[in-house]
Amino acid sequence: AQTVTQSQPEMSVQEAETVTLSCTYDTSESDYYLFWYKQPPSRQMILVIRQEAYKQQNATENRFSVNFQKAAKSFSLKISDSQLGDAAMYFCAYRSANFGNEKLTFGTGTRLTIIP
Amino acid sequence: GAGVSQTPSNKVTEKGKYVELRCDPISGHTALYWYRQSLGQGPEFLIYFQGTGAADDSGLPNDRFFAVRPEGSVSTLKIQRTERGDSAVYLCASSLVRDTGYEQYFGPGTRLTVT
Repeated sequence: AQTVTQSQPEMSVQEAETVTLSCTYDTSESDYYLFWYKQPPSRQMILVIRQEAYKQQNATENRFSVNFQKAAKSFSLKISDSQLGDAAMYFCAYRSANFGNEKLTFGTGTRLTIIP
Repeated sequence: GAGVSQTPSNKVTEKGKYVELRCDPISGHTALYWYRQSLGQGPEFLIYFQGTGAADDSGLPNDRFFAVRPEGSVSTLKIQRTERGDSAVYLCASSLVRDTGYEQYFGPGTRLTVT
């Protein structure tokens, strides 16, 4: 079974600064997908960024980028130019690429606070 | 277009009662997922539907939990003889078929409180 570990329960960053959230995972599969989701107090999970394991290039979405290290099974999220609206819980998630194994496996989350 | 919707937003019930939680997926999405999120935890998978059938129900904790999706659209999660440990936020997500990027779109969840 796959597991996802987020070792930082809480992080804080000054507005406009850069912050990195850590995630490690364990799997015996070679093909899979990794995700970062944001969950604001409204509870609705919002996809921030996605990485396909077969792609060597790190994914980027505007101010959000990842550092994907497949051999180390590490998948960190970097948020640049932090904004007040970035404050939320952030969850790292794993999904197998095998047909029929569609579920997401989540970490325990990191609560990000933005300091004005 | 409209996103995933879930009703009710909040549900308080007494121990031992039966509850139903409803999920309306995004129109045209064939896959539907239920997750349970306990306080301070990440969501945990419960069940996954592809069309009308449950493709994977390995996350259902016991036989008090059951889910249906009779017409391949709306789904209902049913919990019998509720226990205080069932208190959590129940999240629903939907997605298109597998070759469109695997993104799951989540609803706002139903907060279930069992007293």
